[in-house]
Amino acid sequence: ETGVTQSPTHLIKTRGQQVTLRCSSQSGHNTVSWYQQALGQGPQFIFQYYREEENGRGNFPPRFSGLQFPNYSSELNVNALELDDSALYLCASSWDRNSPLHFGNGTRLTVT
Amino acid sequence: GENVEQHPSTLSVQEGDSAVIKCTYSDSASNYFPWYKQELGKRPQLIIDIRSNVGEKKDQRIAVTLNKTAKHFSLHITETQPEDSAVYFCAARSAGEYGNKLVFGAGTILRVKS
Repeated sequence: ETGVTQSPTHLIKTRGQQVTLRCSSQSGHNTVSWYQQALGQGPQFIFQYYREEENGRGNFPPRFSGLQFPNYSSELNVNALELDDSALYLCASSWDRNSPLHFGNGTRLTVT
Repeated sequence: GENVEQHPSTLSVQEGDSAVIKCTYSDSASNYFPWYKQELGKRPQLIIDIRSNVGEKKDQRIAVTLNKTAKHFSLHITETQPEDSAVYFCAARSAGEYGNKLVFGAGTILRVKS
């Protein structure tokens, strides 16, 4: 059974740029959630995708957007990067919208 | 919205001793409470979870207790080992929230001294 995989593992961007992070869900999982984890803090919910539609959103501005594809993989897009966007971005998948979350290793984004 | 507080922020124990981490939540509608372990540079791993219709759950050296009246839940690790050293996060999900919107605590750094 393949776990949740994320790419890239590390990324350095400049303020104002745009970034796309990718996630492949665990086999059999149809729901993908994205979390932002700042250094020394717990993960914060960004949004969740179920059957290719956004199915819930946390307190993040519209410049954070996402997609889910028919194979249940997902992308997180962040426009107009700010220094505070520097964090570990975690993707998590689950069997359905209410099942336990299984996280990937994350993408470490640094905005300079 | 839901708010989860976690204590202590750091915890040092001697190998073989027990460790207890406590969390409180604010939303009485919360009905699912997972615990995650995160080692340095690695993914958060689900170690145990409990639903609101259960007061206690145990898995080998790990147990979680839930007090719905007081709105708090705790993680208990017995016979700690050096490999238990990690950051532990509690989380809560409200029954009123869609899907997997978990609200996490700030984390507890557990150090097991050998």
